[in-house]
Amino acid sequence: DAGITQSPRYKITETGRQVTLMCHQTWSHSYMFWYRQDLGHGLRLIYYSAAADITDKGEVPDGYVVSRSKTENFPLTLESATRSQTSVYFCASRGSLNTEAFFGQGTRLTVV
Amino acid sequence: AQKVTQAQTEISVVEKEDVTLDCVYETRDTTYYLFWYKQPPSGELVFLIRRNSFDEQNEISGRYSWNFQKSTSSFNFTITASQVVDSAVYFCALSERSNFGNEKLTFGTGTRLTIIP
Repeated sequence: DAGITQSPRYKITETGRQVTLMCHQTWSHSYMFWYRQDLGHGLRLIYYSAAADITDKGEVPDGYVVSRSKTENFPLTLESATRSQTSVYFCASRGSLNTEAFFGQGTRLTVV
Repeated sequence: AQKVTQAQTEISVVEKEDVTLDCVYETRDTTYYLFWYKQPPSGELVFLIRRNSFDEQNEISGRYSWNFQKSTSSFNFTITASQVVDSAVYFCALSERSNFGNEKLTFGTGTRLTIIP
């Protein structure tokens, strides 16, 4: 299917475990983003990427790792999950500076 | 420093009233883009409008209108004759160049709009 998809949609994990959230887009967009959404904080940028192998830290990168070996994929890894990382995570992609970003459906992650 | 400020955390209005959502941004770039997104209770993020830094014309789309003023670094959003379906969280966002050709897309904290029937 065309578009941007995130998996899994829901995930419960234990403190200290490593977990990877997947993001895949079919448009060959250059730019991809990861956000977390928490009450009172809106959408906060975790990492963003201009192309394969070009990534930058956003506002809240600590505890997260990203990679982008292929244009269409942008996985987000929590190396050792903490309860403070319980959140809804959104992935987005866009073709260029003057176009809108398209968002995935979100992944609700609960760390217990 | 906050790049995008949406000072109104929550707004409630009675149906058919007009309501304006404020957005103030901060950037050093001369070329940048501003966006508004809507997040209804179902949770998805819906694109509403894009505006580039060189175009200060106001825009109207049905009951929605946007007022972009570079002099005050503001990009405000007005809903006229509000309806219950307008109840949602609204986000303002700023796109600007970053390091090594990367592009940063930063969102405000959002305004939760509730339309009371």
